[in-house]
Amino acid sequence: QQQVKQSPQSLIVQKGGISIINCAYENTAFDYFPWYQQFPGKGPALLIAIRPDVSEKKEGRFTISFNKSAKQFSLHIMDSQPGDSATYFCAASYRYNQGGKLIFGQGTELSVKP
Amino acid sequence: GAVVSQHPSWVICKSGTSVKIECRSLDFQATTMFWYRQFPKQSLMLMATSNEGSKATYEQGVEKDKFLINHASLTLSTLTVTSAHPEDSSFYICSALGTGDDIQYFGAGTRLSVL
Repeated sequence: QQQVKQSPQSLIVQKGGISIINCAYENTAFDYFPWYQQFPGKGPALLIAIRPDVSEKKEGRFTISFNKSAKQFSLHIMDSQPGDSATYFCAASYRYNQGGKLIFGQGTELSVKP
Repeated sequence: GAVVSQHPSWVICKSGTSVKIECRSLDFQATTMFWYRQFPKQSLMLMATSNEGSKATYEQGVEKDKFLINHASLTLSTLTVTSAHPEDSSFYICSALGTGDDIQYFGAGTRLSVL
């Protein structure tokens, strides 16, 4: 129930294309769903996050779609650029029961080809 | 955004020695800090949660006597790897949670190599 399952493990997209990464969770007590971007040898950086009371959130080229009934959420990167090549992690947390502890997905290695 | 500074970024040590890693929140007070371990091409594995002024809470399977965590102030948490061995070689990352905030801000990580 604590798991967050992420797919695909790796993704290759042409420059200008759309990158889509999916995550699924079991625990309905989760109330915060962030996405992190990590470059090699660096710590993760928050990209965008959503709460379960909204179905979509957009920030620039990045959009989170959230389906509460299916317990799934996804990250869409529009107009993907070579600079977006990194590893992306979805995560989930329930602040008040677990003090904000994040449960991470397995990660997706994105490569955007020029 | 908030900044979390982690030091050192890379450390090499001999087997049997202890290594201390510092995690500082530079422009906000962090009531809670987290320590993660990450192996190459794998996800982040939570090691422990530390709250200022209290003992850290360790995840199952993490040796608390091996990985000593101290959170002495609202801006500083330290992780000490005691009697390090080659199998402790990994990428260690800290994060900090602001008061009344959901966002975890991560440090840049520390690569530990034990010879």
